[in-house]
Amino acid sequence: GAGVSQSPRYKVAKRGQDVALRCDPISGHVSLFWYQQALGQGPEFLTYFQNEAQLDKSGLPSDRFFAERPEGSVSTLKIQRTQQEDSAVYLCASSLPRGVVYFGQGTRLTVV
Amino acid sequence: GESVGLHLPTLSVQEGDNSIINCAYSNSASDYFIWYKQESGKGPQFIIDIRSNMDKRQGQRVTVLLNKTVKHLSLQIAATQPGDSAVYFCAERAGNQFYFGTGTSLTVIP
Repeated sequence: GAGVSQSPRYKVAKRGQDVALRCDPISGHVSLFWYQQALGQGPEFLTYFQNEAQLDKSGLPSDRFFAERPEGSVSTLKIQRTQQEDSAVYLCASSLPRGVVYFGQGTRLTVV
Repeated sequence: GESVGLHLPTLSVQEGDNSIINCAYSNSASDYFIWYKQESGKGPQFIIDIRSNMDKRQGQRVTVLLNKTVKHLSLQIAATQPGDSAVYFCAERAGNQFYFGTGTSLTVIP
C-alpha cells in the first residue's frame, strides 16, 4: 500500500473489555513496530517484529498486551481487560531493514 | 529505556524566520537518527534522517546537524511557514528500537 494503515482510527472500550487494533504495513516492509503515545508525550516503544518473528517485546507494559504478526505482514495488537490507563494513541510503523521508519495515523483508544 | 530529550518544549517564531529545534541523546552507540513532525491527530511524519557517520544533512528547507561529541542533534527549518506549526520529535535508533523524546511544539506566528 501507499502507507501504513491502521484501523480503527478511534476505539472506545468499556473498562474490562478486550480490544484488537490492526496494522497494515507498507508492502515489502519486514520490520514492524508498535508504539504507545500518551497525550503530550513522545511515542513509547512497545514491540518489534521482523517478518513474523517478534524479536523485542520489552516495551509491552503488562501481560494484558499481546501482539502478533502471523504471516509477516498484517499485525494485530490486542489488549485484554482494558483499564483506564491504557487510554492512548497506538501507533504502528514499518520499515525496510534498518531503513526509514514510517508511521500510520494511529488508533486512539479511550477506555471509559 | 534510553533518554532522548529536547531542550525547548515550546518554540514560537515569526513567519519567514529560521527555526532551530534541539535534541540531546544519551546512547553513544546510537547509529541512526530521524526527525519527525507530528500534527494534531496524525501520526509522526518523516522529515529527515542522518546516520552517525555524517555531521550534516540537508533537505528541502531543512537541515539536520549531528554532534556526536556532545550527543546533540538539531533541526533547522529555513523560512518557517505557518504549515510548519507542529510538534517535532527526534528519534534515535539503538538496536531494534527507536527512542523518542517528549517533543518540541513549534508555533509559527503569521
